[in-house]
Amino acid sequence: AQKITQTQPGMFVQEKEAVTLDCTYDTSDPSYGLFWYKQPSSGEMIFLIYQGSYDQQNATEGRYSLNFQKARKSANLVISASQLGDSAMYFCAMRDLGSGNTGKLIFGQGTTLQVKP
Amino acid sequence: DADVTQTPRNRITKTGKRIMLECSQTKGHDRMYWYRQDPGLGLRLIYYSFDVKDINKGEISDGYSVSRQAQAKFSLSLESAIPNQTALYFCATSPNRGTEAFFGQGTRLTVV
Repeated sequence: AQKITQTQPGMFVQEKEAVTLDCTYDTSDPSYGLFWYKQPSSGEMIFLIYQGSYDQQNATEGRYSLNFQKARKSANLVISASQLGDSAMYFCAMRDLGSGNTGKLIFGQGTTLQVKP
Repeated sequence: DADVTQTPRNRITKTGKRIMLECSQTKGHDRMYWYRQDPGLGLRLIYYSFDVKDINKGEISDGYSVSRQAQAKFSLSLESAIPNQTALYFCATSPNRGTEAFFGQGTRLTVV
C-alpha cells in the first residue's frame, strides 16, 4: 500500500533563511507522482510543486524546489528565502501514474511552518 | 470564478440531521473526488467518481454517500450527521491524463 510520512509536525524558520520540509514515501508502483501543497490558515489547498518518478531532474518552481532521492524514497521540499507569507501547513502527497490508476492522492500528516520576522 | 466550487463554505448542523455538500467544476474533468481533513491526519479519500455511472468508495466511506449528477457536479451527503464527522471537506478534480489535482476552497462542517 502507498504511504506518505511527514515526521515534522511543526517547524520554525527565520525570515529570509531556507528551510527543508521532510517527506518520505512508500510504494511498489514504478510510476508515480509526488506533490507538495500549501494550506494557509484560510484553508484552501495551493499546489506548489510536482515531481514525477521518472523525472531526471529535481523540480523547481520559483523559491520552491523538491529534493527527490528515489533510492531513499524521499521528496523533501526546500523553500529558499522564507517569507512571512510562507507560514502555513504543508502537505506532501503521492499518486499512482500507472495504467488503470485512480488518480487519488495519498497525503502525509502535514507540517506546520512558522516564519519568524 | 473558481474552477472548482464548493457550497456551502461553512456549515453548522445538529447530530442526526441530513446534510449535503455540493461541488461543481468548470474544468471539464471526468474524475472527481471527496476528501476529508482532520488535524494531524492529512486528507483522506471518502469517495471518487470517474463519470456519472462510475462511483467508488475511498478509505473512509462509512457514514457518507455521494451522487454524481453530471460531469460537472459531485455531491457528498451525510445521511445522519454525527459529531466525529466534524472536519474540513475538500472536493477535487483531475484529468484522465495528467497529474495535477484541482481543489475546491473547502467546506468547514461542524456537527453539534
